[in-house]
Amino acid sequence: KNEVEQSPQNLTAQEGEFITINCSYSVGISALHWLQQHPGGGIVSLFMLSSGKKKHGRLIATINIQEKHSSLHITASHPRDSAVYICAPLNTDKLIFGTGTRLQVFP
Amino acid sequence: ETGVTQSPTHLIKTRGQQVTLRCSSQSGHNTVSWYQQALGQGPQFIFQYYREEENGRGNFPPRFSGLQFPNYSSELNVNALELDDSALYLCASSWDRGHYGYTFGSGTRLTVV
Repeated sequence: KNEVEQSPQNLTAQEGEFITINCSYSVGISALHWLQQHPGGGIVSLFMLSSGKKKHGRLIATINIQEKHSSLHITASHPRDSAVYICAPLNTDKLIFGTGTRLQVFP
Repeated sequence: ETGVTQSPTHLIKTRGQQVTLRCSSQSGHNTVSWYQQALGQGPQFIFQYYREEENGRGNFPPRFSGLQFPNYSSELNVNALELDDSALYLCASSWDRGHYGYTFGSGTRLTVV
């Protein structure tokens, strides 16, 4: 069983829809990152959180440490949100990456 | 403040050869982590350098080695290249071993033929 599980693996949405990506992990962590990777390969850090909830523009990330679960929400999705979203818990100074969720938003 | 720069962006090597990939860390960062991302997979941790010392290593053979320089830039060296080493190699810099966030480079795409 993988240490980090994301769901769904693939997601297709219509512009304007509310998106939720889930992440469950089995290891102890000091923080958890949500990352965005575009087709060219570059990775952008969206959030780092260790408790509660963070919001940045249309993006919201939540984490429940006791449940070992985190979610990334995108409100009013847009085609430019199309990318792979990766959950990466920080465990003993190293990031453990999930396999990612491929999101495609159509106009 | 500059970001993380990786060079080269693309590279083609022959099986058995050696390769060196380079990463310049973001200004103010003292930690560099290297990851290997095979096609369609999530990145896998290779190793991390903190203040010029190796600070953790993933499940990679000794032919994967690294260095961090006094200016905190870093190199990843791979000897005796194998076809399975073909991947995107990502570098991420951070302050204090990643506890305050990461900045990623755009990666080096290595193809071994």
